[in-house]
Amino acid sequence: NAGVTQTPKFQVLKTGQSMTLQCAQDMNHNSMYWYRQDPGMGLRLIYYSASEGTTDKGEVPNGYNVSRLNKREFSLRLESAAPSQTSVYFCASNWGSTDTQYFGPGTRLTVL
Amino acid sequence: AQTVTQSQPEMSVQEAETVTLSCTYDTSESDYYLFWYKQPPSRQMILVIRQEAYKQQNATENRFSVNFQKAAKSFSLKISDSQLGDAAMYFCAYRSAGNDYKLSFGAGTTVTVRA
Repeated sequence: NAGVTQTPKFQVLKTGQSMTLQCAQDMNHNSMYWYRQDPGMGLRLIYYSASEGTTDKGEVPNGYNVSRLNKREFSLRLESAAPSQTSVYFCASNWGSTDTQYFGPGTRLTVL
Repeated sequence: AQTVTQSQPEMSVQEAETVTLSCTYDTSESDYYLFWYKQPPSRQMILVIRQEAYKQQNATENRFSVNFQKAAKSFSLKISDSQLGDAAMYFCAYRSAGNDYKLSFGAGTTVTVRA
């Protein structure tokens, strides 16, 4: 049972490049989330998907797009990367709003 | 969004001793959930303990326990008999009990365990 998986683990981009972070869960969870973690700020919610077919903005959505491809997969896309998007990105999932969230291993992204 | 405050950026503890991490939060709601997550150097976020606000009894998981003071909006984590493997960053988090999917995190406390 892999839980929540994320690819890639590390990525370096140049300003203006685009990329997609992939997330998959094998726990049959309904809800999935994308967070970013910056020093001294804890984790902040970027987007979430309460259920398959729905997505909603979180606290810091600007510069990002998401796709809930199916129940298992939730991707995060940076269309034109900026240095301010240098961060560690975490995907998480749970059954629903009242359930504990389980996190993936994170992706360290550097934008030069 | 609710505000979660962890006032201790760093804490150090001797192996086998006890350390307490503080967390306060700001909310006008009466029903909610509180969490402590551990993030070791591997970066993985691991759930340590969870507390439902409607439960008066403090949650306990082995060597980890909380002191939940609802009126004071305080949720501290006590690590007893500290082990080297407890060294990590610890995050306090809050979520409303309503149909709200958002977790609000504190800034984290880095715990160092001295051998």
